[in-house]
Amino acid sequence: SQQGEEDPQALSIQEGENATMNCSYKTSINNLQWYRQNSGRGLVHLILIRSNEREKHSGRLRVTLDTSKKSSSLLITASRAADTASYFCATVKSSGDKLTFGTGTRLAVRP
Amino acid sequence: GAGVSQSPSNKVTEKGKDVELRCDPISGHTALYWYRQSLGQGLEFLIYFQGNSAPDKSGLPSDRFSAERTGGSVSTLTIQRTQQEDSAVYLCASSLSGGAGSDTQYFGPGTRLTVL
Repeated sequence: SQQGEEDPQALSIQEGENATMNCSYKTSINNLQWYRQNSGRGLVHLILIRSNEREKHSGRLRVTLDTSKKSSSLLITASRAADTASYFCATVKSSGDKLTFGTGTRLAVRP
Repeated sequence: GAGVSQSPSNKVTEKGKDVELRCDPISGHTALYWYRQSLGQGLEFLIYFQGNSAPDKSGLPSDRFSAERTGGSVSTLTIQRTQQEDSAVYLCASSLSGGAGSDTQYFGPGTRLTVL
């Protein structure tokens, strides 16, 4: 079963714009991870944020976590056509446990 | 190897046949996970192995599905008497686990299974 929802389900933006994706989940977590998937195959890990963290940055990525609202957001700044992919959040209840995925956001960046 | 590898990359089989999917995790990773992704169900957990502990099989959809991990490394996912609803991409992941900063799961490219 899936932990929660992501919104929007699909997002289309112009190259250079920022893209924001949101993820909500249902239970308490140890950490939350964001992944990117191209062409329906392997998942690429982007960033991990732990339950005691509120914000993390990695290059053009910024992730926030609000455990009181059970939600997270992924911001991609200065988007590029190569950022076109599906993005998934996934939660982990305890360290080393399985990932429970959200429904994903399909991002299209127009050149 | 440098990353998680899976074989075969594509598998087409007839309904009722058994299939075996293989996963080679990153060397030294103690945890290994199987997930599948299908149009109707999204990404869902199947089974995971953590060191020498009993595997968590809570995600296996039926008793036709089984998995083993030999020598704490390579894992095989077996689906017996395949059904059309088993068609999906089967993804394997591994993680170092067991300490701070080690929860990141690294995924293989997946095996696309098509049951005719």
